[in-house]
Amino acid sequence: AQSVTQPDIHITVSEGASLELRCNYSYGATPYLFWYVQSPGQGLQLLLKYFSGDTLVQGIKGFEAEFKRSQSSFNLRKPSVHWSDAAEYFCAVAPYNTDKLIFGTGTRLQVFP
Amino acid sequence: EAQVTQNPRYLITVTGKKLTVTCSQNMNHEYMSWYRQDPGLGLRQIYYSMNVEVTDKGDVPEGYKVSRKEKRNFPLILESPSPNQTSLYFCASSRTSTGGSYEQYFGPGTRLTVT
Repeated sequence: AQSVTQPDIHITVSEGASLELRCNYSYGATPYLFWYVQSPGQGLQLLLKYFSGDTLVQGIKGFEAEFKRSQSSFNLRKPSVHWSDAAEYFCAVAPYNTDKLIFGTGTRLQVFP
Repeated sequence: EAQVTQNPRYLITVTGKKLTVTCSQNMNHEYMSWYRQDPGLGLRQIYYSMNVEVTDKGDVPEGYKVSRKEKRNFPLILESPSPNQTSLYFCASSRTSTGGSYEQYFGPGTRLTVT
């Protein structure tokens, strides 16, 4: 069965530091890959998505993610974190030929000044 | 403004009292879905709908019903709520494609507490 693993439940970084959130998926073929962010009390907002082509994708708010087929990973990165980035981040996959989204369990990001 | 709306945003109810959470989208999306979010479990799909009058079970459908009589609305019905349905619920919508490539837009969430 398809699954998504976010191994880090909680990450704390200092403002201005770089960030990498990990995401691994289990699927027989290349799925569609997404990162969503959930700010406190808010719904989910799409940060970026990967369907095909260039394996480094740029998103909103200065985020990027790199698809690595050999590692079945789609890690989210940001070179310099801002306090407003504190939120919960969800990786999700959509198996090919479906509209279903399978979410990871999320990583909560805390940012210290 | 393109959006998905849910009502109510917060609800406290008692076991067994039927309730409905409404969801409406103004983007003419075919696909709509309900998720529940629980700590440590992420979001899990309850039901989804590919279009009007077409609905199907997701991963955790027990205790829930849905209907899709109009394209814009996709209400979630709890006929007899129980405490294990205490959760944060999200409605989402998107265009459909056979490749599943369209972004899902999420509502603001409904926090339900069943006592």
